[in-house]
Amino acid sequence: KAGVTQTPRYLIKTRGQQVTLSCSPISGHRSVSWYQQTPGQGLQFLFEYFSETQRNKGNFPGRFSGRQFSNSRSEMNVSTLELGDSALYLCASSSNGDTEAFFGQGTRLTVV
Amino acid sequence: AQSVTQLDSQVPVFEEAPVELRCNYSSSVSVYLFWYVQYPNQGLQLLLKYLSGSTLVKGINGFEAEFNKSQTSFHLRKPSVHISDTAEYFCAVRNNQGGKLIFGQGTELSVKP
Repeated sequence: KAGVTQTPRYLIKTRGQQVTLSCSPISGHRSVSWYQQTPGQGLQFLFEYFSETQRNKGNFPGRFSGRQFSNSRSEMNVSTLELGDSALYLCASSSNGDTEAFFGQGTRLTVV
Repeated sequence: AQSVTQLDSQVPVFEEAPVELRCNYSSSVSVYLFWYVQYPNQGLQLLLKYLSGSTLVKGINGFEAEFNKSQTSFHLRKPSVHISDTAEYFCAVRNNQGGKLIFGQGTELSVKP
């Protein structure tokens, strides 16, 4: 069974640009969550999607958005990038969002 | 609301020695508890989980953890570590109604020969 796949693995963007990250969950999983990991703030929850609906949202500005497709694949978008958005973005999938979550390898975003 | 405190930011230990990584949590509702491991430039790998039942939970790579409800702790242990166990370890909680994972700040385990 394939694990959680995140693409791309690495990205370098310029301040002010926007970026889209992709996550394919484990087959059969309907919940996808996104987390931001930085050395200073640690792992912080961005949002969770379940059956194409945003079910939970963390405390991030509106520049961070996401969506989920009918095949459970998810994308997150960050607009008007700031230097502080440089981080490892992790996607996690679970069957219905209430037990264990399985993480992808992450996308390392660097904003210059 | 829940919170997680990992009491040690760094734990150096010699190969084949035992290790304990400490985790305390705070929650007003029942929770599920998890330990994840992160190797450099990798995502998080689930080591073990406590959902219900026996308070002693065994995971992968010889790790185990004990859920102590009265002390609100979920410490991770391994009787004999290997060089390959060098990584960062994260304790996490999630309320049993679902929702986000709340992570501790991580413990860097460094195993020396």
